[in-house]
Amino acid sequence: DGGITQSPKYLFRKEGQNVTLSCEQNLNHDAMYWYRQDPGQGLRLIYYSQIVNDFQKGDIAEGYSVSREKKESFPLTVTSAQKNPTAFYLCASSMTSRETQYFGPGTRLLVL
Amino acid sequence: GQQLNQSPQSMFIQEGEDVSMNCTSSSIFNTWLWYKQDPGEGPVLLIALYKAGELTSNGRLTAQFGITRKDSFLNISASIPSDVGIYFCAGGITQGGSEKLVFGKGTKLTVNP
Repeated sequence: DGGITQSPKYLFRKEGQNVTLSCEQNLNHDAMYWYRQDPGQGLRLIYYSQIVNDFQKGDIAEGYSVSREKKESFPLTVTSAQKNPTAFYLCASSMTSRETQYFGPGTRLLVL
Repeated sequence: GQQLNQSPQSMFIQEGEDVSMNCTSSSIFNTWLWYKQDPGEGPVLLIALYKAGELTSNGRLTAQFGITRKDSFLNISASIPSDVGIYFCAGGITQGGSEKLVFGKGTKLTVNP
């Protein structure tokens, strides 16, 4: 099946620990994105990548880091510098950075 | 920065009723997208609009790209229980050679059987 997978579905971490969220796509899409969603809010862009080995900061990049070593993978690390990391994290991809974005199922991160 | 005003924030309707929601902005967008999100899941694309004035249907859903490029609406006809969820609009703008999406805060739809 073609699509975007995010794992795990739920993630619990202690405050002060870094945590990496996985995003994989087998759609052969060039562009990938990470969004954060808080209750009652729209999605806010954290980082995006137009092609392999390239990425740019979105609107709320502080406290996050990404890598894009492979076309199909775009992992997001939530670092201890992120002040309020508990949220629902959504990964998306598009054929190119000018095409429609499709979303994965999301990972809910709870920092205790 | 760009902001979208999505309304209404929530709707409670009876099965079979029609639904209308909209997004407005003071900014101009190149594209308008409508997504539906079920609890704990990622948004699913419903309709994508690429031209000002464009009116597009997807089954019982109809959406239009406003002629001023600053607004869009989504209509759902003859609602059914599985229409329950949160509907998001997203406006697309070109920044740095890529398409950036700006999202509304969502319209939560409840359908009573």
